[in-house]
Amino acid sequence: EVQLVQSGPEVKKPGESLKISCEGAGYNFPNYWIGWVRQMPGKGLEWMGIIYPGDSDTRYSPSFQGQVTISADKSIRTAYLQWSSLKASDTAMYYCAKLAKQGSTWDPFDYWGQGTLVTVSS
Amino acid sequence: EIVLTQSPGTLSLSPGERATLSCRASQSVNSNYLAWYQQKPGQAPRLLIYGASSRATGIPDRFSGSGSGTDFTLTISRLEPEDLAVYYCQQYGNSPRTFGQGTKLEIK
Repeated sequence: EVQLVQSGPEVKKPGESLKISCEGAGYNFPNYWIGWVRQMPGKGLEWMGIIYPGDSDTRYSPSFQGQVTISADKSIRTAYLQWSSLKASDTAMYYCAKLAKQGSTWDPFDYWGQGTLVTVSS
Repeated sequence: EIVLTQSPGTLSLSPGERATLSCRASQSVNSNYLAWYQQKPGQAPRLLIYGASSRATGIPDRFSGSGSGTDFTLTISRLEPEDLAVYYCQQYGNSPRTFGQGTKLEIK
């Protein structure tokens, strides 16, 4: 059974750094692109970017390029989303999700994590 | 960037009725790579439809997708109370991938 298990909720102050995680199980983790989606409170879904754990090739949406860093460690089947300096506007639910076909970027997200709530407040 | 515009914003229907949700793209979606997701309150999204008209694994045949180019439709026949959710379309044929703003389906 495919599972994506995300790290727990975070409460941070503006300017702090943060790295959240997403562990994959039940599939060939290195060979499927895995991505991150933001959902701000009461709002819709935003596609942030994807990474191929096999070689760490990464693609970002222009809206998020330079704002976050996506990484992965295939040895522990885990993808990460990190910020170097959080802002209040980063407050949101963040979902990880895997793309449907092995090795392909032109696919929908077929499995999703449970979400990680990030709250940034002074 | 392709902008996806979903309509209506909110749809209120009774059990047993048919729901028709629209997703219009600002330019043609390559290869009709258009997906629909369902997000129930407090849950992560779930893939319903991909390639504009193919049902994802385990999705009941009450859900169907159609369309091509710039105009796409999700139809839910015979609504059930459990269909209460926000429905999003997403294009994955052009970079950057984008989502529509969602249609909220209320069950009377």
